[in-house]
Amino acid sequence: NAGVMQNPRHLVRRRGQEARLRCSPMKGHSHVYWYRQLPEEGLKFMVYLQKENIIDESGMPKERFSAEFPKEGPSILRIQQVVRGDSAAYFCASSPGSGGISYEQYFGPGTRLTVT
Amino acid sequence: DQQVKQNSPSLSVQEGRISILNCDYTNSMFDYFLWYKKYPAEGPTFLISISSIKDKNEDGRFTVFLNKSAKHLSLHIVPSQPGDSAVYFCAASGGTYKYIFGTGTRLKVLA
Repeated sequence: NAGVMQNPRHLVRRRGQEARLRCSPMKGHSHVYWYRQLPEEGLKFMVYLQKENIIDESGMPKERFSAEFPKEGPSILRIQQVVRGDSAAYFCASSPGSGGISYEQYFGPGTRLTVT
Repeated sequence: DQQVKQNSPSLSVQEGRISILNCDYTNSMFDYFLWYKKYPAEGPTFLISISSIKDKNEDGRFTVFLNKSAKHLSLHIVPSQPGDSAVYFCAASGGTYKYIFGTGTRLKVLA
């Protein structure tokens, strides 16, 4: 009964490199959410995806960030040309659906990205 | 513009006593509220939730109270245990998937 899986747990990138963060939702969950937590702050919503669809990317920076959730395989959060300000913990969450108001989101352990 | 506020960054409580964590919100459209617990190097774990049609929800040692007129909710943990030491986040949504999180309160339960 695996929970939400994220890898890698820690990722170090030099400025200008690309970062790829992976998320496998809980079994039976078809909705994936990405959040970012900067030091001393709460989690901030970035993007909500269903299989092969981006439903809401209103929390994503307009440039360098993209996300996908293909038909097969994990969801990917991709950050191109990383900068120091991208250093943060990135959490993925999943839910069985998004209808109504009461689908709790279950979080993965996060990927801690450090940009040097 | 912080729509969900947790004004106490930290709280220390003696084991066996009550822990009260507070959360204020500004958006009257929020109608669903959740508390998550987070240990270091782990993701947040869902704890308890409440919808705006209720003013109280209880689950074992955890009770959440909602005061809609004051736009305030609180989490009570009774009795507090050392294993409860963690960061607690409250979150709110307006009937959608988009959760707005507070900045967290670090609870330390002293043995």
